Amino acid sequence: AQRVTQPEKLLSVFKGAPVELKCNYSYSGSPELFWYVQYSRQRLQLLLRHISRESIKGFTADLNKGETSFHLKKPFAQEEDSAMYYCALGTTGGFKTIFGAGTRLFVKA
Amino acid sequence: DAGVIQSPRHEVTEMGQEVTLRCKPISGHNSLFWYRQTMMRGLELLIYFNNNVPIDDSGMPEDRFSAKMPNASFSTLKIQPSEPRDSAVYFCASSHAGGGEAFFGQGTRLTVV
Repeated sequence: AQRVTQPEKLLSVFKGAPVELKCNYSYSGSPELFWYVQYSRQRLQLLLRHISRESIKGFTADLNKGETSFHLKKPFAQEEDSAMYYCALGTTGGFKTIFGAGTRLFVKA
Repeated sequence: DAGVIQSPRHEVTEMGQEVTLRCKPISGHNSLFWYRQTMMRGLELLIYFNNNVPIDDSGMPEDRFSAKMPNASFSTLKIQPSEPRDSAVYFCASSHAGGGEAFFGQGTRLTVV
């Protein structure tokens, strides 16, 4: 079965602290993983994808096929990072994108 | 391109009424998705289309929900009759077939009283 698990509904950290949002997936094929972000009252938008291996707004994520994980990390959180973050799995053939339940990140001053 | 366009942005209706949500995907995108977002369940995939054909509607909660895509530039999600537990934000998204980034609309916030 195809599934994305984000174990934390809420993550609260202080400004300047490291942050890690966890994501695990279940998929028998070759996965394509994404992180989407939704700022307050805005639409969901792509933050990064594992294929591009880039750092966006200081965030990085590494696909670990052995652990079936795609955790999102940032060494120093900023207040403007406060948002809802969704991990997503794109299936082979790409017809379907499955999202996790989301993690709300709250960065305190 | 203005992106994925959804209407209305907000809808308040009484229980039992029919509700129709509309979506215009990005021109050239072959895949269209309808999602429902709630605090309790996060983002749930309701149904998706590829080249206007429904591929998987297993996420549609009940027969009260139906979706159509009569052409490549328009889709509707209908709830009839609506119930208070249908209150949520409904998102439409589109992407190229074959995977990649999904582009989301602004969402429709539905409140059923």
